[in-house]
Amino acid sequence: SQTIHQWPATLVQPVGSPLSLECTVEGTSNPNLYWYRQAAGRGLQLLFYSVGIGQISSEVPQNLSASRPQDRQFILSSKKLLLSDSGFYLCAWSVRGGNNEQFFGPGTRLTVL
Amino acid sequence: GQSLEQPSEVTAVEGAIVQINCTYQTSGFYGLSWYQQHDGGAPTFLSYNALDGLEETGRFSSFLSRSDSYGYLLLQELQMKDSASYFCAVRNTGGFKTIFGAGTRLFVKA
Repeated sequence: SQTIHQWPATLVQPVGSPLSLECTVEGTSNPNLYWYRQAAGRGLQLLFYSVGIGQISSEVPQNLSASRPQDRQFILSSKKLLLSDSGFYLCAWSVRGGNNEQFFGPGTRLTVL
Repeated sequence: GQSLEQPSEVTAVEGAIVQINCTYQTSGFYGLSWYQQHDGGAPTFLSYNALDGLEETGRFSSFLSRSDSYGYLLLQELQMKDSASYFCAVRNTGGFKTIFGAGTRLFVKA
């Protein structure tokens, strides 16, 4: 069966510090991978998606970046965090060629102080 | 632009039926999905409609009208555990992207 891992579960970082969130998927190959951000009580904002190794599409201009160094590994990074980067970060995967049903990881709750 | 509109909150009593509507305006459309999210948790997939009509999965049903850019999620025999946020989402042209609505918070009362 497929599983998706995200870490850390919670993170408190000062403004201006760097960020690295990691997501890995097990039990599937060639998945589409996604990073979303959710503000408290709000919907999901698509940040990045990837259809293959090294292929990253950015949805919104921001101080975040994403990388996919391996088929089942997706990393979200920032060189300098802003207060507005606080939120619930969710990684998700979908089957290539399927109906795009998204399978979400447990999420990382990031607080920038 | 792209937008999905759904009510922010709905309240219903245990055992009742509730319908959550979603209208969308997107640059492309492959299908409409619904997700459930409990407080503090990750969203989980409920249903997907690519064609017009009603899809039924247990107590949950989802409807799509492509000509009206409209869909709804129908929850029957409501239970307390159904209290959660429900998101409609459009699978966009190219099939890789999914755009989510802001979510509807459902409160189920005894």
